[in-house]
Amino acid sequence: QVQLVQSGAEAKTPGASVKVSCKASGYTFTSYNMHWVRQAPGQGLEWVGIINPSSGFTIYAQTFQGRLTMTRDTSTSTLYMELSSLRSEDTAMYYCVREEGFISAPTKIFQHWGQGTLLTVSS
Amino acid sequence: QSALTQPASVSGSPGQSITISCTGTSNDVGGYNYVSWYRQHPGKAPKLMIYDVSNRPSGVSNRFSGSKSGNTASLTISGLQAEDEADYYCSSYTGSSPPYVFGTGTEVTVL
Repeated sequence: QVQLVQSGAEAKTPGASVKVSCKASGYTFTSYNMHWVRQAPGQGLEWVGIINPSSGFTIYAQTFQGRLTMTRDTSTSTLYMELSSLRSEDTAMYYCVREEGFISAPTKIFQHWGQGTLLTVSS
Repeated sequence: QSALTQPASVSGSPGQSITISCTGTSNDVGGYNYVSWYRQHPGKAPKLMIYDVSNRPSGVSNRFSGSKSGNTASLTISGLQAEDEADYYCSSYTGSSPPYVFGTGTEVTVL
């Protein structure tokens, strides 16, 4: 079955960087688009970005332009999300999400979610 | 792109039906049939309940149904049960930047 296992909670100071991982298993890693979605404490969901694990092509939400880098390691079926110049407003749970449907025919359906990684940014 | 608008809270008694609305614009909800609904229990990841406006993933109870009219999508939960008490979020594809937008969230309380 599809499993997305994320790295543990992180505590960072403003201005620092963080790299969160998401290890996928139970399916062909390079066949499905992957997204990152975040949720600030007590708040709603916010789309962060998408990566094509096959080509490495990425699209980021404009909110993160210049601060966000999404990468993947196909040898270990692992995704990475690196966020730099951290601010207190980046404090949130970050989820990796697999989109249903092969990359060649994306469905825009977010069915499989990781357990989340809590990032806390505080001085 | 602004968040889709949902009521902050909806409540109902066990066995009753409730409906949660999700209002967007012609650039998102009204323009595409790519509306999804998610249920989120406290401390848990969201779970997909409805996709493409009205389709249920395998394993989701047929007590959950979705619809759309114009720029507003709706999620109806019939035969309300204690386990339905959670936060619910809608989402829509936008075709622009950002390509996905979520709703403000609705807290469902089972009285």
